[in-house]
Amino acid sequence: GAVVSQHPSRVICKSGTSVKIECRSLDFQATTMFWYRQFPKQSLMLMATSNEGSKATYEQGVEKDKFLINHASLTLSTLTVTSAHPEDSSFYICSASRRGPATYNEQFFGPGTRLTVL
Amino acid sequence: RKEVEQDPGPFNVPEGATVAFNCTYSNSASQSFFWYRQDCRKEPKLLMSVYSSGNEDGRFTAQLNRASQYISLLIRDSKLSDSATYLCVVNGNYGGSQGNLIFGKGTKLSVKP
Repeated sequence: GAVVSQHPSRVICKSGTSVKIECRSLDFQATTMFWYRQFPKQSLMLMATSNEGSKATYEQGVEKDKFLINHASLTLSTLTVTSAHPEDSSFYICSASRRGPATYNEQFFGPGTRLTVL
Repeated sequence: RKEVEQDPGPFNVPEGATVAFNCTYSNSASQSFFWYRQDCRKEPKLLMSVYSSGNEDGRFTAQLNRASQYISLLIRDSKLSDSATYLCVVNGNYGGSQGNLIFGKGTKLSVKP
């Protein structure tokens, strides 16, 4: 159990276009979904935390108008990179959490989406 | 000081070797600690949680020292399949948010035949 899928796995687009990435929890209802970004040889950096039916909470330095997050259901969250530029090229990974011990809700990671902006 | 710091590596070791990774974290309010494994161009996968009493899972042993804010991972009898990047991860349980994970940059391990 606890499978998270992401689609697409890889996308190449032209500068200025928008790209939507889907994250789905396949066999559980996710209380919260997280979006991370990882540049080459860097650590995963949390971009935003998303709860179903409410606005996402963005980390400092992440533009909410550029990275649109929609969390319409307990099994689906989407990240839209608007007007993508080459510097947005990165590995985007989502994770979904379900209820666990009080201090930590275990997260399950999707396989990631590799975005290349030309 | 970075929130989670790790040995940068890479660690190049022969099969059968014992290798140890170290990690320090800056926020004393952190409550949960983990080691993840990440293969090249893949998502991170949970290797093991780290408890204050220390815990072992087969060839893997994790230790936590809260006083020193230090976490370690020991791999015994390393296998070729252990080659990966090992991420030290801390629950960023501050500011009222639960579940945020703070990742270290990772330590790359390469096990050679």
